[in-house]
Amino acid sequence: DGGITQSPKYLFRKEGQNVTLSCEQNLNHDAMYWYRQDPGQGLRLIYYSQIVNDFQKGDIAEGYSVSREKKESFPLTVTSAQKNPTAFYLCASIGGQTYGYTFGSGTRLTVV
Amino acid sequence: ELKVEQNPLFLSMQEGKNYTIYCNYSTTSDRLYWYRQDPGKSLESLFVLLSNGAVKQEGRLMASLDTKARLSTLHITAAVHDLSATYFCAVDTSGTYKYIFGTGTRLKVLA
Repeated sequence: DGGITQSPKYLFRKEGQNVTLSCEQNLNHDAMYWYRQDPGQGLRLIYYSQIVNDFQKGDIAEGYSVSREKKESFPLTVTSAQKNPTAFYLCASIGGQTYGYTFGSGTRLTVV
Repeated sequence: ELKVEQNPLFLSMQEGKNYTIYCNYSTTSDRLYWYRQDPGKSLESLFVLLSNGAVKQEGRLMASLDTKARLSTLHITAAVHDLSATYFCAVDTSGTYKYIFGTGTRLKVLA
């Protein structure tokens, strides 16, 4: 079945450490997105990519980095510059306006 | 800057009752989406509204879009406990597929 796979489901980061969240899709979608959700809050856009080898900053890109080397993959790195990374991270992709986003199952990141 | 506001933020209702959740947005858009999120889970697509006057229904939920008023509603009919979740609306900004999400409405249906 087609879908989006995020891994790991839970991730713990030590202070000063970079961590990478994986997002893989087999839907043949061109556009992919990373959102952050804080407890009791809505979703905020971190980065997005509409085509391979190209990506743009969203509203809260500071302290994050991405790459889009393959159509299927859009990993997110949370760098040590992100001072408050504890949150639920959601990856999404879209193949057109008709169906809207398809979301992955999310990664819950906690700083220890 | 596009802003998306939902109200109420919290809603506690008895089973069998009807209620409406409102989603207001601040700039022109004719693409609006509703999602459901269960605690600790990802978002599940409920409705896709792509034109003024669009109305979609699934079970006890019905969504509508008024682009002139910049307003979407999610109406709940005869609520049941299984509808307890957080509901988000999202607006597509200028057709770029960059969604701006509302703050969410946390619904609790009491038996």
